[in-house]
Amino acid sequence: GQQVMQIPQYQHVQEGEDFTTYCNSSTTLSNIQWYKQRPGGHPVFLIQLVKSGEVKKQKRLTFQFGEAKKNSSLHITATQTTDVGTYFCAGPNDYKLSFGAGTTVTVRA
Amino acid sequence: ETGVTQSPTHLIKTRGQQVTLRCSSQSGHNTVSWYQQALGQGPQFIFQYYREEENGRGNFPPRFSGLQFPNYSSELNVNALELDDSALYLCASSSLGGLTTYEQYFGPGTRLTVT
Repeated sequence: GQQVMQIPQYQHVQEGEDFTTYCNSSTTLSNIQWYKQRPGGHPVFLIQLVKSGEVKKQKRLTFQFGEAKKNSSLHITATQTTDVGTYFCAGPNDYKLSFGAGTTVTVRA
Repeated sequence: ETGVTQSPTHLIKTRGQQVTLRCSSQSGHNTVSWYQQALGQGPQFIFQYYREEENGRGNFPPRFSGLQFPNYSSELNVNALELDDSALYLCASSSLGGLTTYEQYFGPGTRLTVT
């Protein structure tokens, strides 16, 4: 069955630095979705990418969908303490949404 | 806030018991999905309900069952609870039905502990 993998599992970042987290699917995706879950909270939808090679920005967050529609990345610039949490990518498979294991981000002030 | 509510927020049950979790979807949403999230893992799809029928199911045994009501609210029932059922159970609603998977709007979850 479809598998969605994310790396790294943990990302420890100095405040102000940039980082990137990656998502790879074992199958071609119709779309890729990204969610953020704060500690003790629930996943919150961030964005959906649909087109091959699509790039979308949300303030300091840049999301990219690969040309083959099997991978995606999230790049955060000038990391802030508000960026703390776990970032999940998710890919649809029929009626199911398969989530990766997430990248948990901690920030050193 | 998404407008998706879940009850109860926390629950402690004993192995072998049965549990019912409830979810009210966001206004205008007709599809509800349930997920199980174990500590340190991503949400795992249990099943989805659309127009009061199960529309897709993940790799969960039949003792996990559900219902969707005419007002689009939903229940998740788990029979014969096992220790490994301890997890955060998330309900998510979406606005488009059944044919593809659009963005999910999650509720706050129910934390189930099985002892």
